[in-house]
Amino acid sequence: QTVVTQEPSLTVSPGGPVTLTCASSTGAVTSDYFPNWIQQKPGQVPRALIYSTNKKHLWTPARFSGSLLGGKAALTVSGVQPEDEATYYCMLYHGADQVFGGGTKLTVL
Amino acid sequence: EVQLVESGGGLVKPGGSLRLSCAASGFTFSDAWMNWVRQAPGKGLEWVGRIKTVSQGGTEDYAAPVKGRFTISRDDSKSTLYLQMNSLQTEDTAVYYCTSGSVEGYWGQGTPVTVSS
Repeated sequence: QTVVTQEPSLTVSPGGPVTLTCASSTGAVTSDYFPNWIQQKPGQVPRALIYSTNKKHLWTPARFSGSLLGGKAALTVSGVQPEDEATYYCMLYHGADQVFGGGTKLTVL
Repeated sequence: EVQLVESGGGLVKPGGSLRLSCAASGFTFSDAWMNWVRQAPGKGLEWVGRIKTVSQGGTEDYAAPVKGRFTISRDDSKSTLYLQMNSLQTEDTAVYYCTSGSVEGYWGQGTPVTVSS
């Protein structure tokens, strides 16, 4: 069974940059996995931010960007805001399956 | 305004069945792949399954833990997605979200399902 791995937690200072990564147990993540990034704030419904590696939804703030980095999918937040404190999930397409990572809890301190 | 409104959740005994619905509006439902995603209490997101568009064959795919027990269907005339859940187990307890395909990126508010005796 495919396992998608993310950093369990990260801490960043307001205004700073941060990069979250997403790895697959099957090997290097490529654009063929169509990486998605989803944000979930405490007590709220998840919200999609990025799809197909680096495509943004209309509601995605400009400071969020997606990429591939060193065989992993990556989500970079440039100029972190206090309201970005949340858990971020990546999701990869593995053939017919879609697999979520365990999530990265981002703390803004 | 796009809306995905789930309903049908509730308390059910182990071995029981439940049918969830998701009413969609504000986008072309018939053009969208649709998914069910669940989140157990205090846990992360888990993909449950997906149904493609009718024009793409309406193919369904399921995560291993629910394969053979859950069935996803869609009624494009009603812009409604369904999840039939049979042989429910305590580990199926979760909030169930209806979501559109990745390109659209829409999520519903979720409906809670509790499996307990």
